[in-house]
Amino acid sequence: EIVLTQSPVTLSLSPGERATLSCRASESVSITYLGWYQQKPGQAPRLLIYGASSRATGIPDRFSGGGSGTAFTLTISRLEPEDFAVYYCQYYGRPPWTFGQGTKVEIK
Amino acid sequence: EVQLVESGGGVQRPGGSLRLSCVASGFTFDDYGMSWVRRAPEKGLECVAGLNWNGASTGYADSVKGRFTISRDNDKNVLYLEMNSLRAEDTALYYCVRGRGSGSYEALEYWGQGTLVTVSS
Repeated sequence: EIVLTQSPVTLSLSPGERATLSCRASESVSITYLGWYQQKPGQAPRLLIYGASSRATGIPDRFSGGGSGTAFTLTISRLEPEDFAVYYCQYYGRPPWTFGQGTKVEIK
Repeated sequence: EVQLVESGGGVQRPGGSLRLSCVASGFTFDDYGMSWVRRAPEKGLECVAGLNWNGASTGYADSVKGRFTISRDNDKNVLYLEMNSLRAEDTALYYCVRGRGSGSYEALEYWGQGTLVTVSS
């Protein structure tokens, strides 16, 4: 089973700042099967990025994904008030389709 | 508009069974793979099961393998999750999710609002 480790656990930033979230896989994975999700309290998760770097429908261009092999990143170029949430990476290349434990982006 | 409406959650004793259903609308159901994802209280997300457009390819998390069965009825536009031998650790909000494509290895694009399963004696 591929294990995804996200860092940091919590990221404290102010609106307008840049956020960089990390996701490390326990073994090399294909970029085709790496995704990022956002979840806010009381809401279902929302797909942000698929294929490591492609934005899902309706996702603003301040969100970008990158990386390869075992190291992937989600970058939010300028944090908007609505971006404070928990973010998960996921590998969906083979079962079990594991998620990372999440990074909480909170207002500083 | 894509809609996924889950039902079937509730309170069950350890060792018991539940069947979750998800009625899909707003898209051609048999064009897409589907999954069930859960979130336990104070924990992260876990994809418990997924299947491709015709149900021929399925996969399960190790934690539910042999106890849960995912299936679909493409004539009725319904996704199911049969849950047997329930344990306390299965307590969670269960989401029905549509993939981006027809396979079982797809990013999870559209999510329902979830149905709550509580396993307690």
